[in-house]
Amino acid sequence: GAVVSQHPSRVICKSGTSVKIECRSLDFQATTMFWYRQFPKQSLMLMATSNEGSKATYEQGVEKDKFLINHASLTLSTLTVTSAHPEDSSFYICSARDIQANGYTFGSGTRLTVV
Amino acid sequence: SQQGEEDPQALSIQEGENATMNCSYKTSINNLQWYRQNSGRGLVHLILIRSNEREKHSGRLRVTLDTSKKSSSLLITASRAADTASYFCATDSLPSTGANNLFFGTGTRLTVIP
Repeated sequence: GAVVSQHPSRVICKSGTSVKIECRSLDFQATTMFWYRQFPKQSLMLMATSNEGSKATYEQGVEKDKFLINHASLTLSTLTVTSAHPEDSSFYICSARDIQANGYTFGSGTRLTVV
Repeated sequence: SQQGEEDPQALSIQEGENATMNCSYKTSINNLQWYRQNSGRGLVHLILIRSNEREKHSGRLRVTLDTSKKSSSLLITASRAADTASYFCATDSLPSTGANNLFFGTGTRLTVIP
């Protein structure tokens, strides 16, 4: 079945630095990928929709200059958390839509801790 | 907000019992999906029910959908300790921006006691 690989699984960074998270579709092409954030014991909140070859669409309240999304190829989307602050510490999950299978496949998530 | 709501927020049952989780949503949908998440892990797709379907089965899972009430339920029969996880419903809504996306419910934390 469709597989989405997300890296890194865990990252600890210092305040003020930037962190890049990668999301790859391994055996299918994904023109659209999605980035979610999940705080402890809470649900997933959609942050943005990443479109291959064009600008991402951000949900209301998500700062596009802080959460940079790049979807340069049909198999790779990246989320860069810029100038990270402790309040950005969260679990970030990507997903990709497999058009042929008409389903969504999720990455295994990235636990970001900003110290 | 397009986020749905689930109840109960937490459910604790004995192994072998059935577990029922409910989900309510707000918008018109293409389909509704149920996912499972073990603590600190990614999501695993369980089952998808389309807007024109009323009930669907997959193994020990039974999902119902009532579009008039904008609600769905997930029933896990003969629960096992390994079913302990958080369960989320997610609605795949009619596109407003040209791209479908999923909006997740608040989740139900299920604990199955051996």
